[in-house]
Amino acid sequence: ELKVEQNPLFLSMQEGKNYTIYCNYSTTSDRLYWYRQDPGKSLESLFVLLSNGAVKQEGRLMASLDTKARLSTLHITAAVHDLSATYFCAVDDASYGKLTFGQGTILTVHP
Amino acid sequence: NAGVTQTPKFRVLKTGQSMTLLCAQDMNHEYMYWYRQDPGMGLRLIHYSVGEGTTAKGEVPDGYNVSRLKKQNFLLGLESAAPSQTSVYFCASRVLGSYEQYFGPGTRLTVT
Repeated sequence: ELKVEQNPLFLSMQEGKNYTIYCNYSTTSDRLYWYRQDPGKSLESLFVLLSNGAVKQEGRLMASLDTKARLSTLHITAAVHDLSATYFCAVDDASYGKLTFGQGTILTVHP
Repeated sequence: NAGVTQTPKFRVLKTGQSMTLLCAQDMNHEYMYWYRQDPGMGLRLIHYSVGEGTTAKGEVPDGYNVSRLKKQNFLLGLESAAPSQTSVYFCASRVLGSYEQYFGPGTRLTVT
C-alpha cells in the first residue's frame, strides 16, 4: 500500500523567511505532484515532477524530486502572506493516474 | 470550456437517504476520479473510471457506487447515507497520455 507523509503538518512563518515542506512516500514512483488549496476551494496544481532530479520553480516556490530517497521538497523563499494556504503532495502509482495524497501542510504566513 | 463541474455544490442529507453527485467534464478526458477530503487526511480515492462504461474501486469504495454511461459524466451514488460520509467530494479528470489531473470545485455533503 502506497503511503505518503508530509511534514510539518502545520507551519507558521514570518514574512520574508525561508522554509521547506517535506514529502516522503513509500514505494517507487517517478511522478509527484504538488497542489495548493485555499479554504473552501478546490485544488490548484503547482508542480508536476516526472523524473529523478526534477526541479521546478514558480515565483517563491521551488519543488524537487529525489526518487531514490522517495522524497520531494517544496521550498518557500521569502514568504509572503499570499502564500498562506494548505499544500498537498500526491504520488501517482502509474496505474491509471490514481493519486495518493499526503495529509497536507497548513501554511500560515504572518507579517 | 467549463472544465470539470460538480452538481450540487452543497447538500444536507438525513441518515439513510440516498443521493447522486454528478461530475461533468467537457475536455473529452478518458479518465475520471472521485475523491473525498476529510480534515487532516488529505484526499482519498473512492472510485475511478478509465473510459465510458468502465469503473473500478479506489481506496475507500464502501458505501458508494458509480456509473459512467457517457464519457463526459461520472456519477457517484450514496444508496443509504451515513454520518461517516460527511465530507467534501472532489471529482477530477485526466486525458490519456497526460499527467495533469483537473479538479472540480467540490461538493460539501453533510449527513445528519
